Amino acid sequence: DTEVTQTPKHLVMGMTNKKSLKCEQHMGHRAMYWYKQKAKKPPELMFVYSYEKLSINESVPSRFSPECPNSSLLNLHLHALQPEDSALYLCASSQENRPWDGYTFGSGTRLTVV
Amino acid sequence: AQKITQTQPGMFVQEKEAVTLDCTYDTSDPSYGLFWYKQPSSGEMIFLIYQGSYDQQNATEGRYSLNFQKARKSANLVISASQLGDSAMYFCAMRESANAGKSTFGDGTTLTVKP
Repeated sequence: DTEVTQTPKHLVMGMTNKKSLKCEQHMGHRAMYWYKQKAKKPPELMFVYSYEKLSINESVPSRFSPECPNSSLLNLHLHALQPEDSALYLCASSQENRPWDGYTFGSGTRLTVV
Repeated sequence: AQKITQTQPGMFVQEKEAVTLDCTYDTSDPSYGLFWYKQPSSGEMIFLIYQGSYDQQNATEGRYSLNFQKARKSANLVISASQLGDSAMYFCAMRESANAGKSTFGDGTTLTVKP
């Protein structure tokens, strides 16, 4: 199993809604990541989890709240988002958090905030 | 200063021909990894190839090879025998040992393969 599965694939939410994005991998990877990507731009790192502990938070607004319930799962809880938060949200995993570890990405969640 | 520079916003190549996508990088860390990813219009980022800073030989993976010139700090991706399915955006990325939690991505190159 060499996949990272993200759900949902598409999400439309209002600015007062609360929703969650889910990411799952069964490759035994110990590092997981959330990236945000705007159209035709490179991905921007949001959070890094290493061995289920948050190791990097790239000064992301508190309306984004990550959670790593176990080594296979990564969630991103969304609350009171703004229209500018509309983007493709990519989850990735890597074997560990080392310079030679490439990412396996999920197919992303396309989020639209209305 | 940008750590990863991809100078070609868009490239065109004829089907079955080879194409080189440029990437230069900037780091003072002696230990780092360089990666290329492909992103089709569907959105998923696909890992293509990896080159370590201490690797003596250029990396190859099927039709992909990485032309690594350490002194020039360049890591160009060569795609041989282009196929229509190669049309996508391509990102060069770097992970530094001192900052391994973060990958730095270039701005990407959009490759279009013409039949």
